[in-house]
Amino acid sequence: QQQVKQSPQSLIVQKGGISIINCAYENTAFDYFPWYQQFPGKGPALLIAIRPDVSEKKEGRFTISFNKSAKQFSLHIMDSQPGDSATYFCAASPTGNQFYFGTGTSLTVIP
Amino acid sequence: DAGVTQSPTHLIKTRGQQVTLRCSPKSGHDTVSWYQQALGQGPQFIFQYYEEEERQRGNFPDRFSGHQFPNYSSELNVNALLLGDSALYLCASSWSTRGHYPYNEQFFGPGTRLTVL
Repeated sequence: QQQVKQSPQSLIVQKGGISIINCAYENTAFDYFPWYQQFPGKGPALLIAIRPDVSEKKEGRFTISFNKSAKQFSLHIMDSQPGDSATYFCAASPTGNQFYFGTGTSLTVIP
Repeated sequence: DAGVTQSPTHLIKTRGQQVTLRCSPKSGHDTVSWYQQALGQGPQFIFQYYEEEERQRGNFPDRFSGHQFPNYSSELNVNALLLGDSALYLCASSWSTRGHYPYNEQFFGPGTRLTVL
């Protein structure tokens, strides 16, 4: 059973546009929600993370929006750049030790 | 700082064989987690090692076992390989998160690509 559901599977955005990736979860024990970026041949790298007591967190062009009542969270990439082309994973954890990952979104930013 | 390193980079085995993958954590980290990432999927948590003990385990069979050494490096062993074990195996290290916030960031290695024929 997939603990964290992620959509879309793939996304194509024009340079300068906004990329939006969505995730949903059911387990209310989750209290930490990171997003990872993965380039081909590399391991995932932490991009930004949020706790459920905050509805939004922004770091540069990356923003997480969190809706605790709906059990949903999303990643917004503003002013998307070709260098942002990668696979993005949302994840969730109840303790900071075991992480449950979404299935990934392949983002392509067209110049 | 070399970050998290894994060896080998690629490995080809046949069904029924056994394999050992290795991981050296980032300098200063004492906790190592292992993940299996099938093609086109997200990483799946296998287990985590801290103080040379398995602290937490995901939904993987006993064919998957591990070890952590006093220098915090770790091995993942898989016995009786199946075709379905073909995947990218990722190691992640962190400074121990003791179950309360703030949680410490996990740093991933580049992975070992295992192909089972």
